Amino acid sequence: GDSVTQMEGPVTLSEEAFLTINCTYTATGYPSLFWYVQYPGEGLQLLLKATKADDKGSNKGFEATYRKETTSFHLEKGSVQVSDSAVYFCALSEIVRGNKLVFGAGTILRVKS
Amino acid sequence: GAGVSQSPSNKVTEKGKDVELRCDPISGHTALYWYRQRLGQGLEFLIYFQGNSAPDKSGLPSDRFSAERTGESVSTLTIQRTQQEDSAVYLCASSPEQVQNEQFFGPGTRLTVL
Repeated sequence: GDSVTQMEGPVTLSEEAFLTINCTYTATGYPSLFWYVQYPGEGLQLLLKATKADDKGSNKGFEATYRKETTSFHLEKGSVQVSDSAVYFCALSEIVRGNKLVFGAGTILRVKS
Repeated sequence: GAGVSQSPSNKVTEKGKDVELRCDPISGHTALYWYRQRLGQGLEFLIYFQGNSAPDKSGLPSDRFSAERTGESVSTLTIQRTQQEDSAVYLCASSPEQVQNEQFFGPGTRLTVL
């Protein structure tokens, strides 16, 4: 079945550091790929998405590119802020499977000032 | 506009009791999903409703779990004879027909089974 693997955390960075959170997936079809974020005490929010190969999703300075050849969707940000501290989830969905999301285990990001 | 709402926000129950969790999706959203997030883990799919089609129950972990949805509105997730391993945050999400792969999540119900 479909699965998502993302790097384990926690990831601890200083403010203005470069962030990469790795995500790879296994899917039988052609999935859409997502990054969701969960800030402390808040609900899950969509951060960005990409629906086809070589698409780049971007939002709030975060970017991720759909790489079909490496089955990856790594999350990057050039300069993190303390307010980016949260749990980040990589996920995929396929239309033929009702678009139900398959999530990675989540990566905790802590940004220190 | 109003987002997805869930109630109660917290539920503490004793092992063996039944619980009902409620989800109010965004008005007009045809698809509704339930997920479970156990402590320190990612989210697991439980069940999916799309319009009047038969629900996809493939993620329900046991026959103690069931869910209903009235038309394209409220959904209720019921857990019978709760066990301690049922303790988790139960999340509901809804999705519009026009952008079927974009799900909007509610704040969740934190269930604790003592």
